[in-house]
Amino acid sequence: GENVEQHPSTLSVQEGDSAVIKCTYSDSASNYFPWYKQELGKGPQLIIDIRSNVGEKKDQRIAVTLNKTAKHFSLHITETQPEDSAVYFCAASSFLTGNEKLTFGTGTRLTIIP
Amino acid sequence: DGGITQSPKYLFRKEGQNVTLSCEQNLNHDAMYWYRQDPGQGLRLIYYSQIVNDFQKGDIAEGYSVSREKKESFPLTVTSAQKNPTAFYLCASSNPIAGVVDTQYFGPGTRLTVL
Repeated sequence: GENVEQHPSTLSVQEGDSAVIKCTYSDSASNYFPWYKQELGKGPQLIIDIRSNVGEKKDQRIAVTLNKTAKHFSLHITETQPEDSAVYFCAASSFLTGNEKLTFGTGTRLTIIP
Repeated sequence: DGGITQSPKYLFRKEGQNVTLSCEQNLNHDAMYWYRQDPGQGLRLIYYSQIVNDFQKGDIAEGYSVSREKKESFPLTVTSAQKNPTAFYLCASSNPIAGVVDTQYFGPGTRLTVL
């Protein structure tokens, strides 16, 4: 089955600097890669996703890049702000009996230092 | 959190008791999912359902049961057979189209503590 590894597990950056979180996946059949942001005591919220037919996607300060050959994808947050502090999860999906099944990384706790 | 509600937010139970967690969605999504989240680990899939009256085991189904009698509801029962039930439980839904993976949207979660 799919295995997703996420690094680093914790990340602290100065406000205004950029943050990068990296994930690798094992199943070459995976074709959908979402990123979720989870604040303390809340459910994860989708912040950006990418499908395997594109290499990069941007949404304001957030971007995701995908390298299918190397089987890794990364989240980039520019001009970080205190409200970006949260736990971020990457995920990869592979079809299981016709359904999508998301496999999650173990999360990155991002702290923005004012 | 979109149109997914989970109740209660916090739940305390004594060891050996069964407990049912509620999940309701008004997004008209066909598929619903239950995940378990433990500190330092990613989300792990317990059960999922593609359509009413049908569901499949995920990676960690032992000690759990579900039902899907209505499209909008997917309750999870944590049975006494679950050896370590204290965790944060998350419900999600999506609207898969054949051949295309759809985004999963999550509810706010229920924190279950077994005393």
